[in-house]
Order: sequence, then C-alpha cells, then structure tokens
Amino acid sequence: AQSVTQPDIHITVSEGASLELRCNYSYGATPYLFWYVQSPGQGLQLLLKYFSGDTLVQGIKGFEAEFKRSQSSFNLRKPSVHWSDAAEYFCAVGEPEYGNKLVFGAGTILRVKS
Amino acid sequence: SAVISQKPSRDICQRGTSLTIQCQVDSQVTMMFWYRQQPGQSLTLIATANQGSEATYESGFVIDKFPISRPNLTFSTLTVSNMSPEDSSIYLCSVRLLGGIGYNEQFFGPGTRLTVL
Repeated sequence: AQSVTQPDIHITVSEGASLELRCNYSYGATPYLFWYVQSPGQGLQLLLKYFSGDTLVQGIKGFEAEFKRSQSSFNLRKPSVHWSDAAEYFCAVGEPEYGNKLVFGAGTILRVKS
Repeated sequence: SAVISQKPSRDICQRGTSLTIQCQVDSQVTMMFWYRQQPGQSLTLIATANQGSEATYESGFVIDKFPISRPNLTFSTLTVSNMSPEDSSIYLCSVRLLGGIGYNEQFFGPGTRLTVL
C-alpha cells in the first residue's frame, strides 16, 4: 500500500533562515505529489504539485519542491523563512487509478523564531 | 481553483446525537471527498462522494456511522451519527475540479471543528 513519510514532526528555524521539509513516499508508479499548508484554525492550502516533467516545481509563497525518483522523495524548500510561514505542512500522494485519492503524511509543524 | 464553504464551522454536541455537515462549492466538480483530522493527527479519507451514486467508504468507515449525500455537482453533506467523544475531530470537505488545468488537484474547505461531550 502506498504511504507517505514525513520524518520530522517539529522543525524550528530562525526567521530568514532556509528551510527544508522532508517527504518520502512509497508508490509503485510515478505518483502525483502535493504539498499543503494548514495554518492554525484554517483549512488546507495547496502550495505546489508535481505531476510530470521538470522535477523542480515552484509554488506559492516562495516555496519549491524537488521530485527525486531515485530517493522516492519530494522535499519542500524555501530559501528564507518568514514568521508567517509558521504552520503545519502536509505532503500527500495522489493515486491516479483511484480518482486521485490523496494519502497524507503525518505532517510537520514549523515554528519560526525571531 | 474552487471556493468551498462548510457549515457549521464548529459545533459542540452531546454524545448520542447526530450532526450534518454541509459542503458547498462554487463550481461543478466530479468528485468530492470527506476527510477527518483527529486532534494532532493527519488527514484520513472517510469517503468519496460521486454525484448520482453511493459514496465509496474507506476501510474503517461505514455508511451507518457516516452517511453521505451528493444530490448535485456542487453540494454534499456528511452526517456523523450517534456521536461519541472519539468523533471529536475536524471534518474537511475537498473537491477535485472538473477538467481544466486543475483537473488533478484537490481543494479543501475550511473544515468543521466538532467537539463531542
């Protein structure tokens, strides 16, 4: 069965520092990959997605992610974190043969210190 | 993209009662999904709701507990029946857009925060 692993439950970075959130997936074919962000009391907002093509994808709010097939990874990065980026981040895999049902990772809570 | 609203945004209910959550989308969508997010947990898919057919439930979720309606392409309801404190969660509706560049994307509503006493 497909699965998504986000090995870091919590990450704390200083404002202005770079950020990398890790995501590994288990899936037989080329998956559809997503990163969502959930701010406290809010729903999920799509940051970026990968379906095919260029393995480095750009998203909103200055985020990017790189798909590495050899490592089954889709890590999220941002060169300079802002205090407003503090939130919980979810990596998800879409299953094309099941109508793109999403399987979510456990989430990573990002704290930003000033 | 799609604008999704959910009602109610939050509720506090007594055990043994039922709550119906509404999900309204501003455009026609093929598939609607209902997720549960228990406190401190990730999202778990409850069921997929297609218009004109019975909802498809994931393992561990049954229709008697979580009946779903999908009367048209812009609306769905999820009922949490015979509630217990273990049902305290955020319930989120999501949609997959009908065609276009957003075809394979899912967009999420703001969620309904349910507390069962």
